[in-house]
Amino acid sequence: AQSVTQPDIHITVSEGASLELRCNYSYGATPYLFWYVQSPGQGLQLLLKYFSGDTLVQGIKGFEAEFKRSQSSFNLRKPSVHWSDAAEYFCAVVGGANNLFFGTGTRLTVIP
Amino acid sequence: ETGVTQTPRHLVMGMTNKKSLKCEQHLGHNAMYWYKQSAKKPLELMFVYSLEERVENNSVPSRFSPECPNSSHLFLHLHTLQPEDSALYLCASSQDWGQRSNQPQHFGDGTRLSIL
Repeated sequence: AQSVTQPDIHITVSEGASLELRCNYSYGATPYLFWYVQSPGQGLQLLLKYFSGDTLVQGIKGFEAEFKRSQSSFNLRKPSVHWSDAAEYFCAVVGGANNLFFGTGTRLTVIP
Repeated sequence: ETGVTQTPRHLVMGMTNKKSLKCEQHLGHNAMYWYKQSAKKPLELMFVYSLEERVENNSVPSRFSPECPNSSHLFLHLHTLQPEDSALYLCASSQDWGQRSNQPQHFGDGTRLSIL
Protein backbone atom coordinates (compact mmCIF):
# COMPACT_ATOMS: atom_id res chain seq x y z
CA ALA A 1 0.00 0.00 0.00
CA GLN A 2 1.15 3.50 -0.68
CA SER A 3 1.86 5.99 2.09
CA VAL A 4 3.87 9.09 2.88
CA THR A 5 5.65 10.01 6.10
CA GLN A 6 6.77 13.50 6.98
CA PRO A 7 8.66 13.03 10.24
CA ASP A 8 8.92 16.70 11.16
CA ILE A 9 5.67 18.25 12.35
CA HIS A 10 7.14 21.71 12.84
CA ILE A 11 10.42 23.32 11.76
CA THR A 12 11.71 26.77 12.63
CA VAL A 13 14.48 28.42 10.62
CA SER A 14 15.96 31.88 10.47
CA GLU A 15 15.42 33.99 7.41
CA GLY A 16 18.30 33.44 4.99
CA ALA A 17 19.14 30.01 6.38
CA SER A 18 18.90 26.84 4.33
CA LEU A 19 15.95 24.49 4.62
CA GLU A 20 15.37 20.78 4.20
CA LEU A 21 11.99 19.15 4.73
CA ARG A 22 11.93 15.38 4.89
CA CYS A 23 9.57 13.04 3.06
CA ASN A 24 9.62 9.25 2.95
CA TYR A 25 7.24 7.30 0.76
CA SER A 26 6.08 3.74 0.34
CA TYR A 27 5.09 2.60 -3.14
CA GLY A 28 5.65 -0.64 -5.02
CA ALA A 29 6.73 0.76 -8.36
CA THR A 30 8.45 3.93 -9.52
CA PRO A 31 6.64 6.63 -7.59
CA TYR A 32 5.12 9.83 -8.88
CA LEU A 33 5.82 12.39 -6.16
CA PHE A 34 4.66 15.92 -5.45
CA TRP A 35 5.36 18.69 -2.99
CA TYR A 36 2.56 21.15 -2.27
CA VAL A 37 2.56 24.27 -0.11
CA GLN A 38 -0.41 25.66 1.80
CA SER A 39 -0.39 29.23 3.09
CA PRO A 40 -2.83 30.18 5.86
CA GLY A 41 -6.40 30.37 4.60
CA GLN A 42 -5.53 29.01 1.20
CA GLY A 43 -5.57 25.76 -0.71
CA LEU A 44 -2.62 23.67 -1.82
CA GLN A 45 -0.26 25.02 -4.46
CA LEU A 46 2.02 22.71 -6.41
CA LEU A 47 5.72 23.38 -5.80
CA LEU A 48 7.27 20.61 -7.88
CA LYS A 49 6.87 17.06 -9.09
CA TYR A 50 8.94 14.00 -9.92
CA PHE A 51 8.04 11.25 -12.40
CA SER A 52 11.21 10.02 -14.01
CA GLY A 53 14.57 11.14 -15.28
CA ASP A 54 16.77 13.56 -13.38
CA THR A 55 16.45 12.86 -9.67
CA LEU A 56 16.96 16.51 -8.77
CA VAL A 57 13.88 18.50 -9.72
CA GLN A 58 13.43 22.24 -9.66
CA GLY A 59 10.23 23.92 -8.64
CA ILE A 60 8.72 27.32 -8.13
CA LYS A 61 9.85 29.88 -5.55
CA GLY A 62 13.44 28.57 -5.56
CA PHE A 63 12.61 25.13 -4.17
CA GLU A 64 14.15 21.87 -5.31
CA ALA A 65 13.73 18.25 -4.29
CA GLU A 66 15.87 15.17 -4.69
CA PHE A 67 14.46 11.71 -5.30
CA LYS A 68 16.50 8.94 -3.69
CA ARG A 69 15.15 5.51 -4.49
CA SER A 70 17.54 3.71 -2.14
CA GLN A 71 16.21 5.74 0.79
CA SER A 72 12.60 6.00 -0.41
CA SER A 73 12.92 9.72 0.11
CA PHE A 74 11.95 12.91 -1.67
CA ASN A 75 13.27 15.74 0.48
CA LEU A 76 12.49 19.35 -0.28
CA ARG A 77 15.25 21.97 -0.07
CA LYS A 78 15.78 25.67 -0.39
CA PRO A 79 19.20 27.34 -0.02
CA SER A 80 17.93 30.58 1.52
CA VAL A 81 14.53 30.87 3.17
CA HIS A 82 12.42 34.01 2.91
CA TRP A 83 9.83 35.13 5.46
CA SER A 84 7.12 34.51 2.84
CA ASP A 85 8.00 30.81 2.81
CA ALA A 86 6.29 30.34 6.18
CA ALA A 87 3.51 27.87 5.43
CA GLU A 88 2.63 24.19 5.66
CA TYR A 89 4.28 21.80 3.25
CA PHE A 90 2.81 18.51 2.08
CA CYS A 91 4.47 15.64 0.31
CA ALA A 92 2.27 13.28 -1.72
CA VAL A 93 2.57 10.11 -3.78
CA VAL A 94 0.23 9.13 -6.63
CA GLY A 95 -1.61 5.85 -6.22
CA GLY A 96 -2.73 3.45 -8.93
CA ALA A 97 -5.99 5.21 -9.83
CA ASN A 98 -4.39 8.64 -9.80
CA ASN A 99 -5.47 9.32 -6.22
CA LEU A 100 -3.02 11.28 -4.08
CA PHE A 101 -1.77 10.03 -0.72
CA PHE A 102 -0.53 12.84 1.48
CA GLY A 103 1.73 13.07 4.49
CA THR A 104 0.59 14.90 7.61
CA GLY A 105 2.50 18.01 6.61
CA THR A 106 5.37 20.05 8.05
CA ARG A 107 4.69 23.53 9.36
CA LEU A 108 7.52 25.96 8.63
CA THR A 109 8.09 29.00 10.80
CA VAL A 110 10.59 31.63 9.65
CA ILE A 111 12.10 33.94 12.22
CA PRO A 112 13.64 37.30 11.28
CA GLU B 1 -4.22 29.78 -8.53
CA THR B 2 -7.70 30.74 -9.67
CA GLY B 3 -8.47 27.65 -11.72
CA VAL B 4 -10.57 26.08 -8.95
CA THR B 5 -13.02 28.26 -7.05
CA GLN B 6 -14.82 27.26 -3.87
CA THR B 7 -17.74 28.99 -2.18
CA PRO B 8 -18.41 29.92 0.50
CA ARG B 9 -15.00 30.43 2.07
CA HIS B 10 -16.43 30.13 5.57
CA LEU B 11 -19.57 28.44 6.82
CA VAL B 12 -21.00 28.14 10.31
CA MET B 13 -23.98 25.89 10.73
CA GLY B 14 -25.95 24.11 13.39
CA MET B 15 -26.18 20.35 13.49
CA THR B 16 -29.72 20.35 12.11
CA ASN B 17 -29.09 22.70 9.21
CA LYS B 18 -28.79 21.81 5.55
CA LYS B 19 -26.17 23.61 3.48
CA SER B 20 -24.13 23.03 0.35
CA LEU B 21 -20.54 23.66 -0.63
CA LYS B 22 -19.80 24.59 -4.22
CA CYS B 23 -16.73 24.03 -6.36
CA GLU B 24 -16.14 25.21 -9.90
CA GLN B 25 -13.13 24.51 -12.09
CA HIS B 26 -12.16 26.46 -15.19
CA LEU B 27 -9.36 24.16 -16.33
CA GLY B 28 -11.24 21.80 -18.62
CA HIS B 29 -10.48 18.86 -16.34
CA ASN B 30 -12.41 15.60 -16.32
CA ALA B 31 -11.95 14.62 -12.68
CA MET B 32 -12.96 16.41 -9.48
CA TYR B 33 -12.31 15.57 -5.84
CA TRP B 34 -13.50 16.42 -2.35
CA TYR B 35 -11.03 16.28 0.53
CA LYS B 36 -11.41 16.87 4.26
CA GLN B 37 -8.52 18.53 6.05
CA SER B 38 -8.47 18.28 9.84
CA ALA B 39 -5.71 19.42 12.16
CA LYS B 40 -2.79 17.00 12.52
CA LYS B 41 -4.23 14.51 10.05
CA PRO B 42 -3.35 13.78 6.43
CA LEU B 43 -5.78 15.06 3.87
CA GLU B 44 -8.65 12.61 3.65
CA LEU B 45 -10.02 11.84 0.22
CA MET B 46 -13.81 11.78 0.42
CA PHE B 47 -15.17 11.51 -3.11
CA VAL B 48 -13.93 11.39 -6.68
CA TYR B 49 -15.91 12.14 -9.80
CA SER B 50 -14.63 11.24 -13.24
CA LEU B 51 -16.58 12.42 -16.28
CA GLU B 52 -19.46 13.29 -13.92
CA GLU B 53 -19.64 9.77 -12.52
CA ARG B 54 -18.78 9.04 -8.89
CA VAL B 55 -15.86 6.63 -8.91
CA GLU B 56 -14.67 6.79 -5.30
CA ASN B 57 -16.52 7.03 -2.00
CA ASN B 58 -14.13 6.49 0.86
CA SER B 59 -16.52 5.33 3.58
CA VAL B 60 -17.93 8.80 3.99
CA PRO B 61 -21.04 9.09 6.20
CA SER B 62 -24.30 9.63 4.38
CA ARG B 63 -24.70 13.06 5.95
CA PHE B 64 -22.29 14.16 3.19
CA SER B 65 -23.85 13.91 -0.24
CA PRO B 66 -21.87 14.90 -3.35
CA GLU B 67 -23.30 16.00 -6.66
CA CYS B 68 -21.59 16.60 -9.98
CA PRO B 69 -24.05 18.06 -12.50
CA ASN B 70 -21.36 18.63 -15.13
CA SER B 71 -17.60 18.36 -15.46
CA SER B 72 -17.04 21.92 -14.25
CA HIS B 73 -19.12 21.88 -11.07
CA LEU B 74 -19.06 19.84 -7.91
CA PHE B 75 -21.23 20.21 -4.84
CA LEU B 76 -21.13 18.77 -1.36
CA HIS B 77 -24.52 18.76 0.32
CA LEU B 78 -24.42 18.73 4.12
CA HIS B 79 -27.15 17.55 6.44
CA THR B 80 -27.27 16.81 10.16
CA LEU B 81 -23.56 17.22 10.65
CA GLN B 82 -21.65 16.48 13.84
CA PRO B 83 -19.09 18.65 15.65
CA GLU B 84 -16.27 16.39 14.44
CA ASP B 85 -17.18 17.39 10.89
CA SER B 86 -15.72 20.84 11.50
CA ALA B 87 -12.76 21.07 9.13
CA LEU B 88 -11.46 22.64 5.96
CA TYR B 89 -13.07 21.08 2.90
CA LEU B 90 -10.94 21.24 -0.21
CA CYS B 91 -11.98 20.69 -3.79
CA ALA B 92 -9.49 19.66 -6.46
CA SER B 93 -9.50 18.78 -10.12
CA SER B 94 -7.21 16.91 -12.46
CA GLN B 95 -7.11 16.21 -16.16
CA ASP B 96 -8.16 12.58 -15.76
CA TRP B 97 -8.66 9.81 -13.22
CA GLY B 98 -8.30 6.07 -13.34
CA GLN B 99 -4.70 5.60 -14.34
CA ARG B 100 -1.62 6.98 -12.64
CA SER B 101 -0.74 10.25 -14.25
CA ASN B 102 1.97 12.87 -14.05
CA GLN B 103 -0.64 15.63 -14.25
CA PRO B 104 -1.10 17.19 -10.81
CA GLN B 105 -4.30 17.95 -8.99
CA HIS B 106 -5.22 21.62 -8.72
CA PHE B 107 -6.80 22.76 -5.48
CA GLY B 108 -9.24 25.44 -4.48
CA ASP B 109 -8.81 27.56 -1.36
CA GLY B 110 -11.30 25.51 0.59
CA THR B 111 -14.38 26.11 2.71
CA ARG B 112 -13.77 26.41 6.45
CA LEU B 113 -16.75 24.64 8.05
CA SER B 114 -17.66 25.06 11.70
CA ILE B 115 -20.44 23.00 13.27
CA LEU B 116 -22.05 24.47 16.36
